[in-house]
Amino acid sequence: GAGVSQSPSNKVTEKGKDVELRCDPISGHTALYWYRQSLGQGLEFLIYFQGNSAPDKSGLPSDRFSAERTGGSVSTLTIQRTQQEDSAVYLCASSLDGRGNSPLHFGNGTRLTVT
Amino acid sequence: AQSVSQHNHHVILSEAASLELGCNYSYGGTVNLFWYVQYPGQHLQLLLKYFSGDPLVKGIKGFEAEFIKSKFSFNLRKPSVQWSDTAEYFCAVTGGGATNKLIFGTGTLLAVQP
Repeated sequence: GAGVSQSPSNKVTEKGKDVELRCDPISGHTALYWYRQSLGQGLEFLIYFQGNSAPDKSGLPSDRFSAERTGGSVSTLTIQRTQQEDSAVYLCASSLDGRGNSPLHFGNGTRLTVT
Repeated sequence: AQSVSQHNHHVILSEAASLELGCNYSYGGTVNLFWYVQYPGQHLQLLLKYFSGDPLVKGIKGFEAEFIKSKFSFNLRKPSVQWSDTAEYFCAVTGGGATNKLIFGTGTLLAVQP
């Protein structure tokens, strides 16, 4: 079946511009997560959605980062006024119900490069 | 706050060598433990998981991991590696909190030489 889909796969943007990253989770998965993967930093948690609500936004690095989820499905991560330190691979994952023992299914990520 | 430590950042082995990757976590309560693998050019995928019961868990491709509660460890092992095991390996934990978010270690890059 279809896995987690992310678009675009690559994005190059100029410093100061806004970017939107999209995630289509596995159908029927209620939980959706955004992570950031930087060289040598591992995977950094950004935000978690259960349905359309975000009970945990604790990982968003600054107020330039925001995310929303609509219809309990698609999610968009928006970065405003991008900075070079925002360059990373942004990963989306979904799980069936968000319980601690529900494995996460990851997309291929969006590689963001800020020049 | 929870944290996960992976001690080996880069491991190079020859084919048929045995593998053990270390993982320690900080949370003292009930935990769920995972190993994920990222093969070159591919997305992260689940290798194995531990929730409860037998502390020795077996995963795909001959991998296993042992949960040792007293040591807060969940080391990954494979008796004989293959070139195709070349990948980055991430240990992760959930436990406590309202959202059960998965906390990852920084990863171990394994290179297996033929």
